[in-house]
Amino acid sequence: QVQLQESGPGLVKSSETLSLTCALSGYSISSGYYWGWIRQPPGKGLEWIGTVYHTGDTYYNPSLKSRITISVDTSKNQFSLKLTSVTAADTATYYCARLGAYGFHIFDYWGQGILVTVSS
Amino acid sequence: DIQMTQSPSILSASVGDRVTITCRASQSISTWLAWYQQKPGKAPKLLIYKASSLESGVPSRFSGSGSGTEFTLTISSLQPDDFATYYCQQYDSYLLLTFGGGTRVEIK
Repeated sequence: QVQLQESGPGLVKSSETLSLTCALSGYSISSGYYWGWIRQPPGKGLEWIGTVYHTGDTYYNPSLKSRITISVDTSKNQFSLKLTSVTAADTATYYCARLGAYGFHIFDYWGQGILVTVSS
Repeated sequence: DIQMTQSPSILSASVGDRVTITCRASQSISTWLAWYQQKPGKAPKLLIYKASSLESGVPSRFSGSGSGTEFTLTISSLQPDDFATYYCQQYDSYLLLTFGGGTRVEIK
């Protein structure tokens, strides 16, 4: 059974960098599929942040592209998100997820999510 | 960008009701559409992909239809476990995946 678990600080200061990691179990990231990050501000809808392939190829939401880096670490079986210059608008629950079921960019396995609050 | 618009934003219904949620795309996405269910404090759960294909393990009371720009998610007989928020997602453009704003199904 594929399981994903987000980790990282729950509180980040404004203008600093948000760093999160998603650890996989039950599946080797090197075996394929795409891996992504999605966020959800409190009480609001879902926003795709970006996607990384196991080879390291990345696809970013254009609205965030200048501030994000998503990378994969096959040796640790995990992938990571860095979001720079955060503001209060980046306060959200951040989810990591697997994409690629049936060959489509849909999210079939999700982490439980981690709430990140940006403080001033 | 492909914008996804869901309606209604809130739907009040009773157990046993037939419920329909609509999702409209700002341009044609063929059948590249998925539906998710999200309960409070939980991650979304994939229900339907390719507009009408039921994900394994999802009850058959859930069904999806549509193509092009208009899609529907139908729950044939609403169960207590179905009170949740539902999101559509287009994947016609993998370079910019977008979700609808969500439809909250609440108890009438």
